[in-house]
Amino acid sequence: DAGITQSPRYKITETGRQVTLMCHQTWSHSYMFWYRQDLGHGLRLIYYSAAADITDKGEVPDGYVVSRSKTENFPLTLESATRSQTSVYFCASGNSGNTIYFGEGSWLTVV
Amino acid sequence: RKEVEQDPGPFNVPEGATVAFNCTYSNSASQSFFWYRQDCRKEPKLLMSVYSSGNEDGRFTAQLNRASQYISLLIRDSKLSDSATYLCVVNANAGNNRKLIWGLGTSLAVNP
Repeated sequence: DAGITQSPRYKITETGRQVTLMCHQTWSHSYMFWYRQDLGHGLRLIYYSAAADITDKGEVPDGYVVSRSKTENFPLTLESATRSQTSVYFCASGNSGNTIYFGEGSWLTVV
Repeated sequence: RKEVEQDPGPFNVPEGATVAFNCTYSNSASQSFFWYRQDCRKEPKLLMSVYSSGNEDGRFTAQLNRASQYISLLIRDSKLSDSATYLCVVNANAGNNRKLIWGLGTSLAVNP
């Protein structure tokens, strides 16, 4: 029982391409999050969602789009990938009790 | 001043040693506190929540000092498997996950 899964796990794409990272959770958690983690910056929140059809910007939302039509899915789209978006992306979910659980991460390289 | 600060380390300790990490936070209204563990190239995983009265889970003890605005993690009898990065997390808005503020982590290497 993986709980929260991300796909793809590894992706290489070219500058300017659109990329979608998928996130699926089986816990029925109301909150879902997308973070990126870079050396020297730690975990930075890109977008979060409090429930289906409710999303909000985090700390670094520029260049990213999210949607949440179903509680269990929270895809993250890079509309036109840039080299600065090379990173590892973590999806997470949780309920209002603050504790959140992470997926295994998606390693994205933009060339 | 950063909202959450941790000594990046690395802390190099021998097996069996006791090691402690501190994490300071700037927002005195912070409501909840956590320690996560992250192995190299893996996702962060919840290690333990930190309660006002302090709490213990096996070899791990977490404490909160509101007056001085820091939390601590003590690891006793260190194991090789404890080698990881330990992330301090502070939530300034209880019930709202969005306000989770992450430290950059403290690296621990336990040596044979």
